[in-house]
Amino acid sequence: ETGVTQSPTHLIKTRGQQVTLRCSSQSGHNTVSWYQQALGQGPQFIFQYYREEENGRGNFPPRFSGLQFPNYSSELNVNALELDDSALYLCASSLVAGGVETQYFGPGTRLLVL
Amino acid sequence: GESVGLHLPTLSVQEGDNSIINCAYSNSASDYFIWYKQESGKGPQFIIDIRSNMDKRQGQRVTVLLNKTVKHLSLQIAATQPGDSAVYFCAETPLYGQNFVFGPGTRLSVLP
Repeated sequence: ETGVTQSPTHLIKTRGQQVTLRCSSQSGHNTVSWYQQALGQGPQFIFQYYREEENGRGNFPPRFSGLQFPNYSSELNVNALELDDSALYLCASSLVAGGVETQYFGPGTRLLVL
Repeated sequence: GESVGLHLPTLSVQEGDNSIINCAYSNSASDYFIWYKQESGKGPQFIIDIRSNMDKRQGQRVTVLLNKTVKHLSLQIAATQPGDSAVYFCAETPLYGQNFVFGPGTRLSVLP
Protein backbone atom coordinates (compact mmCIF):
# COMPACT_ATOMS: atom_id res chain seq x y z
CA GLU A 1 0.00 0.00 0.00
CA THR A 2 1.12 3.56 -0.75
CA GLY A 3 -0.18 5.24 2.40
CA VAL A 4 -2.29 7.59 0.28
CA THR A 5 -5.96 7.51 1.24
CA GLN A 6 -8.99 9.01 -0.45
CA SER A 7 -12.60 9.54 0.57
CA PRO A 8 -15.25 8.76 -0.26
CA THR A 9 -14.67 5.61 -2.30
CA HIS A 10 -17.81 6.09 -4.37
CA LEU A 11 -20.15 9.01 -4.91
CA ILE A 12 -23.30 9.66 -6.94
CA LYS A 13 -24.31 13.21 -7.80
CA THR A 14 -26.71 14.85 -10.20
CA ARG A 15 -25.86 17.32 -12.93
CA GLY A 16 -25.33 20.86 -11.63
CA GLN A 17 -24.39 19.81 -8.13
CA GLN A 18 -21.04 20.40 -6.42
CA VAL A 19 -18.70 17.77 -5.00
CA THR A 20 -15.68 17.71 -2.69
CA LEU A 21 -13.21 14.84 -2.75
CA ARG A 22 -10.52 14.36 -0.13
CA CYS A 23 -7.01 12.95 -0.07
CA SER A 24 -4.47 12.27 2.67
CA SER A 25 -0.89 12.18 1.44
CA GLN A 26 1.76 9.68 2.34
CA SER A 27 3.61 10.72 5.48
CA GLY A 28 6.50 13.09 4.68
CA HIS A 29 5.20 14.04 1.23
CA ASN A 30 4.74 17.75 0.49
CA THR A 31 3.09 17.60 -2.93
CA VAL A 32 -0.24 16.29 -4.11
CA SER A 33 -1.46 15.91 -7.66
CA TRP A 34 -4.99 15.18 -8.83
CA TYR A 35 -5.88 13.18 -11.93
CA GLN A 36 -9.13 12.28 -13.68
CA GLN A 37 -9.38 8.81 -15.19
CA ALA A 38 -12.27 8.16 -17.53
CA LEU A 39 -13.30 4.55 -18.06
CA GLY A 40 -10.83 2.72 -20.28
CA GLN A 41 -8.36 5.60 -20.44
CA GLY A 42 -5.18 6.70 -18.73
CA PRO A 43 -5.21 9.30 -15.95
CA GLN A 44 -5.34 12.95 -17.06
CA PHE A 45 -3.60 15.61 -14.95
CA ILE A 46 -5.91 18.14 -13.32
CA PHE A 47 -3.55 20.13 -11.07
CA GLN A 48 -0.81 19.90 -8.48
CA TYR A 49 -0.37 21.56 -5.09
CA TYR A 50 2.97 22.18 -3.44
CA ARG A 51 3.15 23.75 0.01
CA GLU A 52 -0.48 24.86 -0.21
CA GLU A 53 -0.09 26.65 -3.55
CA GLU A 54 -1.20 25.48 -7.00
CA ASN A 55 1.93 24.41 -8.84
CA GLY A 56 0.68 23.50 -12.28
CA ARG A 57 -2.63 22.85 -13.98
CA GLY A 58 -3.82 20.68 -16.82
CA ASN A 59 -6.51 21.39 -19.38
CA PHE A 60 -9.46 21.54 -16.99
CA PRO A 61 -11.95 24.42 -16.54
CA PRO A 62 -11.97 26.70 -13.49
CA ARG A 63 -14.92 24.83 -11.98
CA PHE A 64 -12.27 22.28 -10.97
CA SER A 65 -10.50 23.77 -7.95
CA GLY A 66 -8.42 22.50 -5.08
CA LEU A 67 -6.89 23.11 -1.72
CA GLN A 68 -3.90 21.79 0.15
CA PHE A 69 -3.77 22.09 3.91
CA PRO A 70 -0.79 22.59 6.26
CA ASN A 71 -0.77 18.87 7.00
CA TYR A 72 -0.50 18.32 3.22
CA SER A 73 -3.93 16.72 2.91
CA SER A 74 -5.91 17.98 -0.04
CA GLU A 75 -9.35 18.55 -1.50
CA LEU A 76 -10.63 18.56 -5.06
CA ASN A 77 -13.79 20.58 -5.62
CA VAL A 78 -15.89 20.38 -8.75
CA ASN A 79 -18.74 22.84 -9.28
CA ALA A 80 -21.65 22.64 -11.71
CA LEU A 81 -21.15 18.94 -12.34
CA GLU A 82 -21.58 17.66 -15.88
CA LEU A 83 -22.28 14.12 -17.06
CA ASP A 84 -18.76 13.91 -18.52
CA ASP A 85 -17.30 14.48 -15.07
CA SER A 86 -18.16 10.86 -14.27
CA ALA A 87 -14.77 9.24 -13.73
CA LEU A 88 -12.29 7.85 -11.22
CA TYR A 89 -10.52 10.72 -9.45
CA LEU A 90 -7.04 9.89 -8.27
CA CYS A 91 -4.72 11.77 -6.03
CA ALA A 92 -1.01 11.12 -5.93
CA SER A 93 1.49 12.34 -3.39
CA SER A 94 5.21 12.89 -3.76
CA LEU A 95 8.14 14.47 -2.01
CA VAL A 96 9.50 17.25 -4.16
CA ALA A 97 13.01 18.30 -3.15
CA GLY A 98 14.38 19.37 -6.50
CA GLY A 99 13.73 17.68 -9.82
CA VAL A 100 10.98 15.14 -10.22
CA GLU A 101 9.96 12.53 -7.74
CA THR A 102 7.83 9.43 -8.01
CA GLN A 103 4.12 9.96 -7.50
CA TYR A 104 2.27 7.40 -5.40
CA PHE A 105 -1.43 7.00 -6.00
CA GLY A 106 -4.38 6.48 -3.73
CA PRO A 107 -7.21 4.08 -4.55
CA GLY A 108 -9.36 6.80 -6.09
CA THR A 109 -12.90 8.09 -5.71
CA ARG A 110 -15.37 6.91 -8.32
CA LEU A 111 -17.81 9.70 -9.16
CA LEU A 112 -20.99 9.08 -11.11
CA VAL A 113 -22.95 12.10 -12.34
CA LEU A 114 -26.56 11.44 -13.33
CA GLY B 1 0.46 18.22 -28.33
CA GLU B 2 2.82 15.91 -26.58
CA SER B 3 1.54 12.44 -25.97
CA VAL B 4 2.45 9.04 -24.76
CA GLY B 5 0.96 6.06 -26.52
CA LEU B 6 1.10 2.31 -26.54
CA HIS B 7 1.43 0.01 -29.53
CA LEU B 8 -0.74 -2.82 -28.20
CA PRO B 9 -3.98 -2.25 -26.33
CA THR B 10 -4.24 -5.90 -25.19
CA LEU B 11 -1.70 -8.64 -24.61
CA SER B 12 -2.37 -12.27 -23.71
CA VAL B 13 0.48 -14.50 -22.51
CA GLN B 14 0.78 -17.98 -21.09
CA GLU B 15 1.61 -18.30 -17.43
CA GLY B 16 5.35 -18.67 -17.07
CA ASP B 17 6.19 -16.91 -20.33
CA ASN B 18 7.84 -13.52 -20.53
CA SER B 19 5.75 -10.44 -21.32
CA ILE B 20 6.83 -7.34 -23.19
CA ILE B 21 4.71 -4.20 -23.10
CA ASN B 22 5.72 -1.31 -25.35
CA CYS B 23 5.22 2.42 -25.16
CA ALA B 24 6.04 5.28 -27.54
CA TYR B 25 6.41 8.86 -26.39
CA SER B 26 6.71 12.04 -28.40
CA ASN B 27 8.05 14.63 -25.94
CA SER B 28 11.80 14.86 -26.55
CA ALA B 29 12.09 16.76 -23.25
CA SER B 30 10.88 13.75 -21.29
CA ASP B 31 13.35 13.00 -18.55
CA TYR B 32 11.69 10.56 -16.20
CA PHE B 33 9.54 7.55 -16.97
CA ILE B 34 7.45 5.26 -14.78
CA TRP B 35 5.54 2.07 -15.39
CA TYR B 36 2.38 1.70 -13.34
CA LYS B 37 0.17 -1.36 -12.86
CA GLN B 38 -3.52 -0.83 -12.27
CA GLU B 39 -5.77 -3.62 -11.10
CA SER B 40 -9.52 -3.37 -11.33
CA GLY B 41 -10.95 -0.95 -8.77
CA LYS B 42 -7.56 0.25 -7.57
CA GLY B 43 -5.27 3.17 -8.16
CA PRO B 44 -2.10 2.87 -10.27
CA GLN B 45 0.69 1.04 -8.47
CA PHE B 46 4.34 1.98 -9.06
CA ILE B 47 6.33 -0.83 -10.69
CA ILE B 48 9.62 0.61 -11.87
CA ASP B 49 11.08 3.89 -13.06
CA ILE B 50 13.95 5.06 -15.23
CA ARG B 51 15.60 8.39 -15.89
CA SER B 52 16.77 9.57 -19.29
CA ASN B 53 20.44 9.13 -18.42
CA MET B 54 19.90 5.36 -18.31
CA ASP B 55 18.82 2.86 -20.95
CA LYS B 56 18.02 -0.13 -18.74
CA ARG B 57 16.92 -0.73 -15.19
CA GLN B 58 16.02 -4.00 -13.51
CA GLY B 59 13.76 -4.81 -10.61
CA GLN B 60 12.30 -7.98 -9.26
CA ARG B 61 11.08 -9.89 -12.37
CA VAL B 62 10.72 -6.60 -14.26
CA THR B 63 13.05 -4.72 -16.57
CA VAL B 64 12.49 -1.35 -18.18
CA LEU B 65 14.31 -0.43 -21.38
CA LEU B 66 14.54 3.12 -22.71
CA ASN B 67 15.55 4.00 -26.26
CA LYS B 68 15.74 7.78 -26.46
CA THR B 69 16.74 7.74 -30.12
CA VAL B 70 13.36 6.40 -31.18
CA LYS B 71 11.47 7.59 -28.09
CA HIS B 72 10.48 4.09 -27.05
CA LEU B 73 9.99 2.50 -23.64
CA SER B 74 9.30 -1.13 -22.83
CA LEU B 75 8.44 -3.16 -19.77
CA GLN B 76 9.55 -6.77 -19.61
CA ILE B 77 8.00 -9.10 -17.07
CA ALA B 78 9.77 -12.40 -16.54
CA ALA B 79 7.87 -15.62 -15.77
CA THR B 80 4.48 -13.92 -15.95
CA GLN B 81 2.09 -14.96 -13.20
CA PRO B 82 -1.72 -14.74 -12.88
CA GLY B 83 -1.26 -11.89 -10.40
CA ASP B 84 0.36 -9.85 -13.15
CA SER B 85 -2.97 -9.55 -14.95
CA ALA B 86 -3.82 -5.85 -14.97
CA VAL B 87 -3.66 -2.72 -17.10
CA TYR B 88 -0.16 -1.31 -17.47
CA PHE B 89 0.50 2.38 -18.08
CA CYS B 90 3.67 4.12 -19.03
CA ALA B 91 3.96 7.70 -17.81
CA GLU B 92 6.49 10.37 -18.57
CA THR B 93 7.42 13.83 -17.40
CA PRO B 94 10.11 16.33 -18.28
CA LEU B 95 12.73 17.45 -15.79
CA TYR B 96 11.08 19.67 -13.14
CA GLY B 97 7.69 18.86 -14.60
CA GLN B 98 4.67 18.90 -12.35
CA ASN B 99 2.64 16.17 -13.95
CA PHE B 100 2.98 12.83 -15.58
CA VAL B 101 1.50 12.19 -19.01
CA PHE B 102 -0.05 8.74 -19.19
CA GLY B 103 -0.61 6.55 -22.18
CA PRO B 104 -3.95 4.81 -22.78
CA GLY B 105 -2.76 1.56 -21.18
CA THR B 106 -2.23 -2.08 -22.19
CA ARG B 107 -4.31 -4.82 -20.67
CA LEU B 108 -2.23 -7.88 -19.83
CA SER B 109 -4.10 -11.17 -19.53
CA VAL B 110 -2.26 -14.21 -18.20
CA LEU B 111 -3.62 -17.49 -19.49
CA PRO B 112 -3.38 -20.65 -17.34
